[in-house]
Amino acid sequence: AQKITQTQPGMFVQEKEAVTLDCTYDTSDPSYGLFWYKQPSSGEMIFLIYQGSYDQQNATEGRYSLNFQKARKSANLVISASQLGDSAMYFCAMREGLTVSGYALNFGKGTSLLVTP
Amino acid sequence: GAGVSQSPSNKVTEKGKDVELRCDPISGHTALYWYRQRLGQGLEFLIYFQGNSAPDKSGLPSDRFSAERTGESVSTLTIQRTQQEDSAVYLCASSSGAPGYEQYFGPGTRLTVT
Repeated sequence: AQKITQTQPGMFVQEKEAVTLDCTYDTSDPSYGLFWYKQPSSGEMIFLIYQGSYDQQNATEGRYSLNFQKARKSANLVISASQLGDSAMYFCAMREGLTVSGYALNFGKGTSLLVTP
Repeated sequence: GAGVSQSPSNKVTEKGKDVELRCDPISGHTALYWYRQRLGQGLEFLIYFQGNSAPDKSGLPSDRFSAERTGESVSTLTIQRTQQEDSAVYLCASSSGAPGYEQYFGPGTRLTVT
């Protein structure tokens, strides 16, 4: 079963506007963490933001914020004041409690974001 | 450099040949992960090392895949008798092992099997 669902294959946003990238997750583990990574066309995976399941407040990192709605099992990424350099693939990922796979990440299929002038 | 490095960056091989992919994690990171990313897809977990021990190999796609790690350092992923479906980017990540810390990814090895 898919643990991370990203329903938006592609998104467009105009420069300086805000954009929300959707992510829903599925787990029965009470201890989990949610990550967002950015993958530009160069292929590197760039960590953006992390939210732990017990964190009371939504995570923020500069222009990135995570809209964490635990009851709805959603962890949407909000990018404020989009820049042309934000054009990339964005992946939502989840790690569950420590297992034989360590804290291996389950990734969604990604959302391709294009920022237009 | 301070980041995760991988070599080679690109590898083209003929079907049936063996390939070895290398990962150098960040110094001091005890946890190391291998992932595979097929074209246009998300990342798929392959194997995890804590130190030089891999508790579970069930994520490896087939018995043609194997991996090892020397101490808390270099790891190699070996694919024997490569098939066209093995074509993908193979990414390595390392972390301190604590749950709240991100995994730092290397630039990946793009493997093309012809």
